[in-house]
Amino acid sequence: AQTVTQSQPEMSVQEAETVTLSCTYDTSESDYYLFWYKQPPSRQMILVIRQEAYKQQNATENRFSVNFQKAAKSFSLKISDSQLGDAAMYFCAYRSERGYQKVTFGTGTKLQVIP
Amino acid sequence: GAVVSQHPSRVICKSGTSVKIECRSLDFQATTMFWYRQFPKKSLMLMATSNEGSKATYEQGVEKDKFLINHASLTLSTLTVTSAHPEDSSFYICSAWTGVIGTGELFFGEGSRLTVL
Repeated sequence: AQTVTQSQPEMSVQEAETVTLSCTYDTSESDYYLFWYKQPPSRQMILVIRQEAYKQQNATENRFSVNFQKAAKSFSLKISDSQLGDAAMYFCAYRSERGYQKVTFGTGTKLQVIP
Repeated sequence: GAVVSQHPSRVICKSGTSVKIECRSLDFQATTMFWYRQFPKKSLMLMATSNEGSKATYEQGVEKDKFLINHASLTLSTLTVTSAHPEDSSFYICSAWTGVIGTGELFFGEGSRLTVL
């Protein structure tokens, strides 16, 4: 079974600064997807960024980028120029390429942005 | 992006009653929908996977008779918490997949907070 581990329960960053959230996962598969989801106080899960395992290039979405290390099974999220609206719970997630689109979530990292 | 809507967003009920939560995909057909449960300050726990027109597949430890899931159409899945008790109080989230191989993305509803008195 796949597992996703987020070792940082809480993180804080000054507004306009950069922060990196860590995520490691365990799988025996070679094809899969990795995601970072944001859950603001409103509680709706919002997709931040997606990475296909077969792609070597790290995904980037505006101020959000990932550092995907497939061999190390590491998938960190970097948020640049942090904004107050970035404050939320961030979940790292894994989905296999095969079978149902079942997603396994990490335990989450609560990000606080300090004005 | 695609829109998934859950209703109700909040529900309070008495112990012993049943509560139905709806999950609708508004602008796409969802061949598969997932129901998650989230405890305070915790991650999402997958409860079950439902495919349109077939029985739901429940995760280990989830009571099938307690949490009834119906996926009667490609745009609607329902979760019924039967004979609810205070320990069933939680935040329930549905997600839907478009069924397009390779996209990888799930779309989530806004969640439903159930409080059982």
